[in-house]
Amino acid sequence: KNQVEQSPQSLIILEGKNCTLQCNYTVSPFSNLRWYKQDTGRGPVSLTIMTFSENTKSNGRYTATLDADTKQSSLHITASQLSDSASYICVVSAVSGNTGKLIFGQGTTLQVKP
Amino acid sequence: EAGVAQSPRYKIIEKRQSVAFWCNPISGHATLYWYQQILGQGPKLLIQFQNNGVVDDSQLPKDRFSAERLKGVDSTLKIQPAKLEDSAVYLCASSLVWGDSGANVLTFGAGSRLTVL
Repeated sequence: KNQVEQSPQSLIILEGKNCTLQCNYTVSPFSNLRWYKQDTGRGPVSLTIMTFSENTKSNGRYTATLDADTKQSSLHITASQLSDSASYICVVSAVSGNTGKLIFGQGTTLQVKP
Repeated sequence: EAGVAQSPRYKIIEKRQSVAFWCNPISGHATLYWYQQILGQGPKLLIQFQNNGVVDDSQLPKDRFSAERLKGVDSTLKIQPAKLEDSAVYLCASSLVWGDSGANVLTFGAGSRLTVL
C-alpha cells in the first residue's frame, strides 16, 4: 500500500532556531517527492521537488534531502521566522505509464514563537 | 499569472442540504484536481480531470458527490445531501499536464471551507 508518514505531528520552536521535519514513504513506482507549505486558511504552496537522482534541494532557508534507498526525506528550516509557522506536507508522486498519483502525508504543524 | 480561483471561501449548511463549489484553474492548465482536507489531515484526492475527461474518481463518494468540467476549463463540485462528516476544506488545484516530470507543480487555490451542522 502506498503510504507517506510524517513526523513529528507538531512542533514548537523559538524564532531563530533550526528544525528538521521527517517524511518516510512506501510508494511504488516512485517518481518524485515534493514538500509543500500550507499557511492557515490557504492552499498548499510548493517548496521543493526532487526526483530519484537528486538528494538535496534548497529554496532559501528551506533545504530538502532525499534518500531513495531508505525512502526517507527531510525538510530542514534554518534560522526560523514567525512566518514559517504553517503546516508542511510531504507528497510523493507515483507514476506508472501515463497515469500517476500523488500520495499526501498528514503534515507537520510548525509553530514558531518569538 | 493569476492563481487558482475558488468560491465561496466559506459555507455553512445544515445536514441533508446541498452545496456547490466552483473552481477556475490557471489558464492553460489541462489537469484539474479536487481535494478534500479534513482538519489535521493531508488532502485526499476526490477527482482528477484531464481537460474535460475524468482520470481518477476512485475516492469520490458518488452517492452524494458529483463534479463536472464541461468545457475543460472551470469546474464545479457538488454535495447533495451533505453529511456532518463532509465538514472540511475543499481544495482545487491545477497543473499543466500530468506526466512523469518534476516540473508539473500543482498550484492550489485557497480552498472552500464547508461546515455542516
